[in-house]
Amino acid sequence: TQLLEQSPQFLSIQEGENLTVYCNSSSVFSSLQWYRQEPGEGPVLLVTVVTGGEVKKLKRLTFQFGDARKDSSLHITAAQPGDTGLYLCAGDSEYGNKLVFGAGTILRVKS
Amino acid sequence: KAGVTQTPRYLIKTRGQQVTLSCSPISGHRSVSWYQQTPGQGLQFLFEYFSETQRNKGNFPGRFSGRQFSNSRSEMNVSTLELGDSALYLCASSLVAGGQGNTGELFFGEGSRLTVL
Repeated sequence: TQLLEQSPQFLSIQEGENLTVYCNSSSVFSSLQWYRQEPGEGPVLLVTVVTGGEVKKLKRLTFQFGDARKDSSLHITAAQPGDTGLYLCAGDSEYGNKLVFGAGTILRVKS
Repeated sequence: KAGVTQTPRYLIKTRGQQVTLSCSPISGHRSVSWYQQTPGQGLQFLFEYFSETQRNKGNFPGRFSGRQFSNSRSEMNVSTLELGDSALYLCASSLVAGGQGNTGELFFGEGSRLTVL
C-alpha cells in the first residue's frame, strides 16, 4: 500500500515569513502533484513533478521532487494571507487516474 | 469553460438510507474519479470511470457504487448509510485516462457534503 506522509499538519505564520511543507513516502512514485484547497471548494492543482531532482517554481512557490522520487517539498517565500489554505500532496498509483493523497497541511498566514 | 459540477452540494440523511450523488465533468473530459474526504482519513480514492467503464476501484465496501453514462456524467451511490459515511465527496474529471504512472491532470468539483445522522 502506497502512503504519503505530510508534515507539518498545521502551520500558522506571519505574513512575510518563509515555510516548507514536506511529503514523504517509502514508495517510489512516477509523479507527485501538489494541490491547494480552500474551504468549500475542491482541490486545485498547483504543479506536477515528474523527474527525480526536478525543481519547479510558481511565483513564490518552489516545488522539489526528491532524487529517488519518494519525497517532495513545497517552499513558500514571503507568505501572504492569500496563501492560506489546505495544501495536499498526491502521488500517482500504479494505474489510471488514481491518486494517493497525503493528509494535508493547513496553512494560515496572518497579516 | 464550465468546471466540474456536483449536485447536490449539501445533504442530510439518516442511517440506513441511501444516497445518489451526481457529477458532470468538464465538457470533453471522459475520465471521472470519485474521492471521499474526511478530517480523519483525508482524501481517499473511491473509483474511476472512463468511457462508461470502471477502470479502478479503491478499498471501500460494496455499499459504495458508481456508474458513468454515455455523456460522461457520473453518479455514485451509497446504500445503507452509516455515520462514518459523513464526508465531502469530491468528483474529479480528466481529459484522458491516466496510464501507468501517468496521472492525467485532475479538475475537482466543489464536492457534495453528506451528513449522516
